[in-house]
Amino acid sequence: EAGVAQSPRYKIIEKRQSVAFWCNPISGHATLYWYQQILGQGPKLLIQFQNNGVVDDSQLPKDRFSAERLKGVDSTLKIQPAKLEDSAVYLCASSSGQGIYGYTFGSGTRLTVV
Amino acid sequence: AQSVTQPDIHITVSEGASLELRCNYSYGATPYLFWYVQSPGQGLQLLLKYFSGDTLVQGIKGFEAEFKRSQSSFNLRKPSVHWSDAAEYFCAVFSPGGGGNKLTFGTGTQLKVEL
Repeated sequence: EAGVAQSPRYKIIEKRQSVAFWCNPISGHATLYWYQQILGQGPKLLIQFQNNGVVDDSQLPKDRFSAERLKGVDSTLKIQPAKLEDSAVYLCASSSGQGIYGYTFGSGTRLTVV
Repeated sequence: AQSVTQPDIHITVSEGASLELRCNYSYGATPYLFWYVQSPGQGLQLLLKYFSGDTLVQGIKGFEAEFKRSQSSFNLRKPSVHWSDAAEYFCAVFSPGGGGNKLTFGTGTQLKVEL
């Protein structure tokens, strides 16, 4: 089966600019996750979707981050405006059901804010 | 709230030597535990998982992990390390719940393999 697709792989922007990341999960996976991985840290969950509804966005900085999954398939994560501390790898993952058997991760988007 | 601690930030082993990566978790109920590996520039790949039953679980690439409830640990082991095992390893605990099922990661252990 095809894996989780993410684009772009790399992005460099200046602070205060906006940026968007795209994710296409494994076909049939109802649950989609966005994680932020800062260098030297473990991935941190930003937002979780079940189909096209938000299940958990408690750690999403909502003043600058937004995400949507309009048709319950692919998803977009946006940052506007970006700050230096947003430099990180943004990982998308998907799972079938509740995710109890583990998630499948994409290769990530490495964002550098200068 | 659940949490995971990986006490070793960096570990260096010689190729062919045995490996043990430590993981301690904090979770109120029976934990669902995972080990993932991340090679440079790649996403996370699932190595193995523990739900219940046999406390010694086998995974891919010759890795195994042992769940010890009394020590709140889930250490990853490999009898003989290969140079291709150099990567970052993450332990994670899964917590099902009404507020959203969540996979919480430790900070990772960077493994270097000396030839």
